[in-house]
Amino acid sequence: QSVLTQPPSASGTPGQKVTISCSGSRSNIGSNTVNWYQQFPGAAPKLLMYSNNQRPSGVPDRFSGSKSGTSASLAISGLQSEDEADYYCAAWDDSLNGVVFGGGTKLTVL
Amino acid sequence: EEQLMESGGGLVQPGGSLRLSCAASGFTFSRFVMTWVRQAPGKGLEWVSGISGSGGGTHYADSVKGRFTVSRDNSKNTVYLQMNSLRAEDTAVYYCAKEYYDILTGYYGGLDAFDIWGQGTMVTVSS
Repeated sequence: QSVLTQPPSASGTPGQKVTISCSGSRSNIGSNTVNWYQQFPGAAPKLLMYSNNQRPSGVPDRFSGSKSGTSASLAISGLQSEDEADYYCAAWDDSLNGVVFGGGTKLTVL
Repeated sequence: EEQLMESGGGLVQPGGSLRLSCAASGFTFSRFVMTWVRQAPGKGLEWVSGISGSGGGTHYADSVKGRFTVSRDNSKNTVYLQMNSLRAEDTAVYYCAKEYYDILTGYYGGLDAFDIWGQGTMVTVSS
């Protein structure tokens, strides 16, 4: 069971907006920034969002992140078929003195 | 081009040991935190360990503390993960990853934001 809680699956049709949630606690999301990773089958993860809402160079602005209290979310607008992947949130946990990941959300583009 | 290449994975019996290596190229290795993340077959990501640029600071997940040791040789641009007392639940693809750095803002990702990942090396613990 993961320290950060994500829905196991999400879906949307091309062009739609999809939001993936990530719920934590005061010791992780409540005290530290959240990062998001995208992973395609058989590939290494890719940093999609850092410091809650910052996009690394090359990440389309269709992707956005937010954080409020002990929860965070990743929004994907203008959904495209190539967005179909697994998405993970992550944050430092002050109590565990380590990084915690969410269990991952499998995004399906219908 | 910034690259990471893991090696050292394989099949090992429960209770055995294995040392993973991760060779870096294309960036100033000693400036960055390096991290190990693993992924069991069909499962999610699990952070394993992180080490500071100098090697003086290390962190471990509770699941591996006391059994795994992370180290680095900055003269060889390589980070290592020594894994002892291996268990079946350690079976996973092990990735090494580099701390994110934004050249425009000077932001360092620290221990939890990683932008360059290796291709992963499979570790199977089974009798």
